[in-house]
Amino acid sequence: SAVISQKPSRDICQRGTSLTIQCQVDSQVTMMFWYRQQPGQSLTLIATANQGSEATYESGFVIDKFPISRPNLTFSTLTVSNMSPEDSSIYLCSVEVTGRGPQHFGDGTRLSIL
Amino acid sequence: DQQVKQNSPSLSVQEGRISILNCDYTNSMFDYFLWYKKYPAEGPTFLISISSIKDKNEDGRFTVFLNKSAKHLSLHIVPSQPGDSAVYFCAASSNTGNQFYFGTGTSLTVIP
Repeated sequence: SAVISQKPSRDICQRGTSLTIQCQVDSQVTMMFWYRQQPGQSLTLIATANQGSEATYESGFVIDKFPISRPNLTFSTLTVSNMSPEDSSIYLCSVEVTGRGPQHFGDGTRLSIL
Repeated sequence: DQQVKQNSPSLSVQEGRISILNCDYTNSMFDYFLWYKKYPAEGPTFLISISSIKDKNEDGRFTVFLNKSAKHLSLHIVPSQPGDSAVYFCAASSNTGNQFYFGTGTSLTVIP
């Protein structure tokens, strides 16, 4: 597996502002992912963070709202832009260490927007 | 459209007894299935997986069963321990992409 550090662990933000979440892995990994878990819901994939190229977004998620960086094989950021109360969720990054193996998750960022 | 469903939001079991958590899926292209355990304020932790070429996979106290014809999988925990109290998510994927589809979770409480 891998050790995944995610920062911040939680934050309370004002609507209209943006927050950048960081995900650091202790080893080089090819695949990194960003998920959202809204209250009472399952985990939903936002995008796959590709190293050296643009992220691949799932239906319903756009780059302007959730810009993602992946500068190297151990680090990625997700920005939640122009936040509204509907963005209040847990945001999680995950990595896939072996092809078609399990994804391993960070502890998540619990985000509340006032 | 929820492709992976966990119809029981919660389950309570006595310590030492068997816990059975269920999961149904709709996409016949899914060929890899996983169970995750999640404690409060932590991320999901991988527990056990099964590929569609098998119908059972066992790891210690945890066994996952897959019934492809019924599009159903289950997780058995025997014997259940208080430390098993957590939310359990099932997930599924196909070989056409990297996306994992998650159920909404079942909160297991093991009563001492």
